[in-house]
Amino acid sequence: QVQLQESGPGLVKPSETLSLTCTVSGGSISSAYWTWIRQPPGKGLEWIGYIYYSGSTNYNPSLKSRVTISVDTSKNQFSLKLSSVTAADTAMYYCAREDIAEAGIDYWGQGTLVTVSS
Amino acid sequence: QTVVTQEPSLTVSPGGTVTLTCASSTGAVTSGHYPNWFQQKPGQAPRSLIYNTRNKHSWTPARFSGSLLGGKAALTLSGLQPEDEAEYYCLLYYGSVRVFGGGTTLTVL
Repeated sequence: QVQLQESGPGLVKPSETLSLTCTVSGGSISSAYWTWIRQPPGKGLEWIGYIYYSGSTNYNPSLKSRVTISVDTSKNQFSLKLSSVTAADTAMYYCAREDIAEAGIDYWGQGTLVTVSS
Repeated sequence: QTVVTQEPSLTVSPGGTVTLTCASSTGAVTSGHYPNWFQQKPGQAPRSLIYNTRNKHSWTPARFSGSLLGGKAALTLSGLQPEDEAEYYCLLYYGSVRVFGGGTTLTVL
């Protein structure tokens, strides 16, 4: 059973960079797309992007200029950096696994709330 | 910008059947969009229900089914139970990019 756990600061100042890490357990970080998704309070889900264990990435075009997703296979972790944050980036951030062969997201982390405020 | 549209809200009686749909601003939804469906209850992370149009995860209740219907992706819930009350989201694939629908609030009343 794959498990994912997000970690990182819960409060980030405007104009700074949001940084989160997702630790994967119960399975290898290879052979899947490792995904970040966010949800502003009271709103719907937004796909941020994913990374393959090789390091190849794909991002939401609306966030592409500010997003970087990276992977550390030695630690079974992948990370999200979102630069120049504003209050609009306040959200619950989820990491998830997308099974490439099955064309579906299957496992989710519990999420971590990040608030952008001075 | 691609928009994926779902019914904002639906209300159904216990024991009933309901179909939620997921439309694409680019045209008909096909199997090539690999529709996924998720359930989210208040205060919880989303839970995956359906992948690649109609495939169920091992934990997906048998009363949930996915399909393509009239150019849209569809999620049908039959024999509705009170615990099915939740927000439901679809996700469509557009090449290497994924787009979520706005979600449907399902009330079982």
